[in-house]
Amino acid sequence: DTEVTQTPKHLVMGMTNKKSLKCEQHMGHRAMYWYKQKAKKPPELMFVYSYEKLSINESVPSRFSPECPNSSLLNLHLHALQPEDSALYLCASSHRDGGSYGYTFGSGTRLTVV
Amino acid sequence: QKEVEQNSGPLSVPEGAIASLNCTYSDRVSQSFFWYRQYSGKSPELIMSIYSNGDKEDGRFTAQLNKASQYVSLLIRDSQPSDSATYLCAVKDSGAGSYQLTFGKGTKLSVIP
Repeated sequence: DTEVTQTPKHLVMGMTNKKSLKCEQHMGHRAMYWYKQKAKKPPELMFVYSYEKLSINESVPSRFSPECPNSSLLNLHLHALQPEDSALYLCASSHRDGGSYGYTFGSGTRLTVV
Repeated sequence: QKEVEQNSGPLSVPEGAIASLNCTYSDRVSQSFFWYRQYSGKSPELIMSIYSNGDKEDGRFTAQLNKASQYVSLLIRDSQPSDSATYLCAVKDSGAGSYQLTFGKGTKLSVIP
């Protein structure tokens, strides 16, 4: 299995809703990432988990809450989002230091906040 | 602050020609370099990685790295319309605990049939 699976693929939520994005990989990667990508912009790092511990939080607002229940799963809990949070949310994974393989990205969740 | 610079394009080439995509980076400690292809509305897909000075070839793709000039490029030979996409250059530091990829803004490539 060489894939990173993200669900759902599309999500529309209101500003008072609570929702979660899910990410799963079975490649034995021990680093997992959340990125946010707006249209015509490069991916922007949000969070890094290494060995299930949060190692980087790029000053992301608290309305985004990551969780890594085990080495294969990564969640992003969303609450009280704003319309400007609408974007493509990408999960990625890598060997611990990115090594020779770079990151493998999931297909993303297209989020629309209304 | 690390910076990765790419010409945003669009870069238009005729079908069958060589497309040349360029990237410069500011941080001399950068050790690993990646090219991702991203189709509109899709996620980035890793197509090439390079770590040593010189050329690395994979099918129609050749990555070139010059660490002294802090320059990395991607050549696409025999360009096809299906190569039309945005190409993201990404760089990473070496060392344990160094996970973060720094992306350039991407170059949009259009291959004209």
